[in-house]
Amino acid sequence: DGGITQSPKYLFRKEGQNVTLSCEQNLNHDAMYWYRQDPGQGLRLIYYSQIVNDFQKGDIAEGYSVSREKKESFPLTVTSAQKNPTAFYLCATAQTASGNTIYFGEGSWLTVV
Amino acid sequence: LAKTTQPISMDSYEGQEVNITCSHNNIATNDYITWYQQFPSQGPRFIIQGYKTKVTNEVASLFIPADRKSSTLSLPRVSLSDTAVYYCLVGPDTGRRALTFGSGTRLQVQP
Repeated sequence: DGGITQSPKYLFRKEGQNVTLSCEQNLNHDAMYWYRQDPGQGLRLIYYSQIVNDFQKGDIAEGYSVSREKKESFPLTVTSAQKNPTAFYLCATAQTASGNTIYFGEGSWLTVV
Repeated sequence: LAKTTQPISMDSYEGQEVNITCSHNNIATNDYITWYQQFPSQGPRFIIQGYKTKVTNEVASLFIPADRKSSTLSLPRVSLSDTAVYYCLVGPDTGRRALTFGSGTRLQVQP
């Protein structure tokens, strides 16, 4: 959505490298999320954050790390420990008390070469 | 978090009404039901949200029976552009919970 910016749109990573995906929002939303989507599959939750300087692991956090130093930013680092990182990554935000209405960015494609 | 079950795929023709049902037997009292639409290589988009009975907006209707153990997304007179994956999400206030999506329903609209 217009208020959530993910970059880069496409990223290539060599095996053994760490890469960081950026997610910035200007919606003033408290909660931010990272999801992974493999081709033809559903969304799986990696990490989420409800407030600044706090975040929780989702269902598939291994091999990923995040930070939430600012309300507007929630970068995701895909580490070399993630053995199969090729996927579509989606960042999302939500406001509290919104009845689970969540807004997504346009996504980032990560490919291991 | 309430587990959801949806059909994996559905087929329809242009101009028909499509109903996609989501089962959520362990829905909690403070859970809302929200549906999203996703096109390939894009983030899901909000379609409609409800708590009970019926909700209608300009693109869809959402029917929720009294026991709230299921919900049905109704798309009137679908077109080719409605071909997408539809997700049902059940959960409470986002500020207190993770949001986990199910596998979704892949709708294919034929001419």
